Amino acid sequence: KAGVTQTPRYLIKTRGQQVTLSCSPISGHRSVSWYQQTPGQGLQFLFEYFSETQRNKGNFPGRFSGRQFSNSRSEMNVSTLELGDSALYLCASNLYGGRTDTQYFGPGTRLTVL
Amino acid sequence: TQLLEQSPQFLSIQEGENLTVYCNSSSVFSSLQWYRQEPGEGPVLLVTVVTGGEVKKLKRLTFQFGDARKDSSLHITAAQPGDTGLYLCAGANAGNNRKLIWGLGTSLAVNP
Repeated sequence: KAGVTQTPRYLIKTRGQQVTLSCSPISGHRSVSWYQQTPGQGLQFLFEYFSETQRNKGNFPGRFSGRQFSNSRSEMNVSTLELGDSALYLCASNLYGGRTDTQYFGPGTRLTVL
Repeated sequence: TQLLEQSPQFLSIQEGENLTVYCNSSSVFSSLQWYRQEPGEGPVLLVTVVTGGEVKKLKRLTFQFGDARKDSSLHITAAQPGDTGLYLCAGANAGNNRKLIWGLGTSLAVNP
């Protein structure tokens, strides 16, 4: 099976702009989670989508939004970018199974806000 | 708020040495996972432990889940440069909408 793909891999934006990141999960997986990773805060959960519905949401401002399409591909959008939004944005394709869930991560999108 | 504390934060050792990294919490988890992340890549799952006291081995890596399911350790025997990376632990609580709680990670550098 192909892994999780994220596009673009690198992005440079300026403050005030908006950005859209894309994630294609593993074929057959219906759930996608998004994380923001920074050296000081580690992985912080943004949101999770399952079958086009947002099922969980982290503690991020409304500037961060996402959606999932019928083919399970997901996008996240950040509007009015701030310097502090510079981070690695990771998408995980989720496989649920009994007591444990397994997350398969993509390589991430490195966003730099100038 | 549930927290997972990982220690040490940074570790630099020579090839062939042994090491142990820790993941501690005051909360009980239904399962705990260990990931390794290499620069420029996403985390890759190494192991999931679900039973208190459970020990799992993956070649030179030994993972243990605490008896009370509040902590875990990762022991690497005879470390190699290929073990270099960020080791992350993540705990799952069945009562928390399946959201994982993540530690900040231990950054390991194994020097040849």
